[in-house]
Amino acid sequence: KQEVTQIPAALSVPEGENLVLNCSFTDSAIYNLQWFRQDPGKGLTSLLLIQSSQREQTSGRLNASLDKSSGRSTLYIAASQPGDSATYLCAVGQTDKLIFGTGTRLQVFP
Amino acid sequence: EAQVTQNPRYLITVTGKKLTVTCSQNMNHEYMSWYRQDPGLGLRQIYYSMNVEVTDKGDVPEGYKVSRKEKRNFPLILESPSPNQTSLYFCASSLRTGSNSPLHFGNGTRLTVT
Repeated sequence: KQEVTQIPAALSVPEGENLVLNCSFTDSAIYNLQWFRQDPGKGLTSLLLIQSSQREQTSGRLNASLDKSSGRSTLYIAASQPGDSATYLCAVGQTDKLIFGTGTRLQVFP
Repeated sequence: EAQVTQNPRYLITVTGKKLTVTCSQNMNHEYMSWYRQDPGLGLRQIYYSMNVEVTDKGDVPEGYKVSRKEKRNFPLILESPSPNQTSLYFCASSLRTGSNSPLHFGNGTRLTVT
């Protein structure tokens, strides 16, 4: 059974720092891996999707990498801003579902 | 605007009183799914649908029903709600499962069953 773990569970950093959020999964048979952002009281917004054949994807200050063989993905946030404060979730795509980690709650203070 | 719309946003009800949470998407997506989100447990899939008239159980289907009579709508039905169904519910859709298209979420429905 696929299990997805995110470390750390919470992170508080000053503005301007470069951040790395980690996601690990136990079964490498995946279609893709997605990173989402969730703001309090809101739904999830898709940030990046990495196909199983890809190694990384970039969008603005965000870069996500995927290493299927080791069951790991990282989300790199460059030059963090207070507006980046949210919960970040990763999810692995299998045949008919996404399996989510429990998220990393990020706070960026000025 | 492309979106997934859930209603209502907030719902307080009593044990045993049937309720329906509606979900509609305007992106012509084939795949739709319901999740519940609970502290410490993350998001868990309740039911999903690969296309019209095709539905299947997720990880936590007990106490829930769904239907997919039209492509755009995927209502979640609680025929006899119980307090352990108090949760934050999300509907989501994507072009097709396994298609490497991102999953789009609604804004959620916070349900309280007393």
